[in-house]
Amino acid sequence: NAGVTQTPKFQVLKTGQSMTLQCAQDMNHNSMYWYRQDPGMGLRLIYYSASEGTTDKGEVPNGYNVSRLNKREFSLRLESAAPSQTSVYFCASSEHWDIASGYTFGSGTRLTVV
Amino acid sequence: GESVGLHLPTLSVQEGDNSIINCAYSNSASDYFIWYKQESGKGPQFIIDIRSNMDKRQGQRVTVLLNKTVKHLSLQIAATQPGDSAVYFCAEKGNSNYQLIWGAGTKLIIKP
Repeated sequence: NAGVTQTPKFQVLKTGQSMTLQCAQDMNHNSMYWYRQDPGMGLRLIYYSASEGTTDKGEVPNGYNVSRLNKREFSLRLESAAPSQTSVYFCASSEHWDIASGYTFGSGTRLTVV
Repeated sequence: GESVGLHLPTLSVQEGDNSIINCAYSNSASDYFIWYKQESGKGPQFIIDIRSNMDKRQGQRVTVLLNKTVKHLSLQIAATQPGDSAVYFCAEKGNSNYQLIWGAGTKLIIKP
């Protein structure tokens, strides 16, 4: 029972490079989320997918795009990385889109943009 | 605007003592609150939640108290153990069902 799996765990990018963060869950959850976590701050929602086939912006969507590839997978893409996107990125899933159903988080991707 | 804050960024307690982690929120309309635990190098892990129609909820060794009058939330951990060392986040439900507003976190340090 892997839960939520994120790849890669670490990444260093140069400014302007692009990359895709991968996330997969094996709990048959309907909803998936991407958060970023910066030092001294709580998590902030980037994008979410309430159900397969839908995606919506969260609090801080600028500079990111997402794809809900299927029910299991939800990827986050940085088209042109900027130093301000240096952060730890967490993917999460929940049984359905009401947060009261409880989130399961992945272990995170630590991204550094130089 | 909405915000969730914590009174203390770091809390040190003796192993075996009780820990109390505090959290203030600003949106009096919030109806749902969650506490998460984040160990080093891991994602947040659900601890306990509480709805606004309650003022206390107990779990295994943890109790959450909600004081809506002063918009204050606390997490009490009984008989703190080394495995309780982590950063603890409170979060409140925002204006929509998908939105969680997170506090900055309190680091709990357990002294042997």
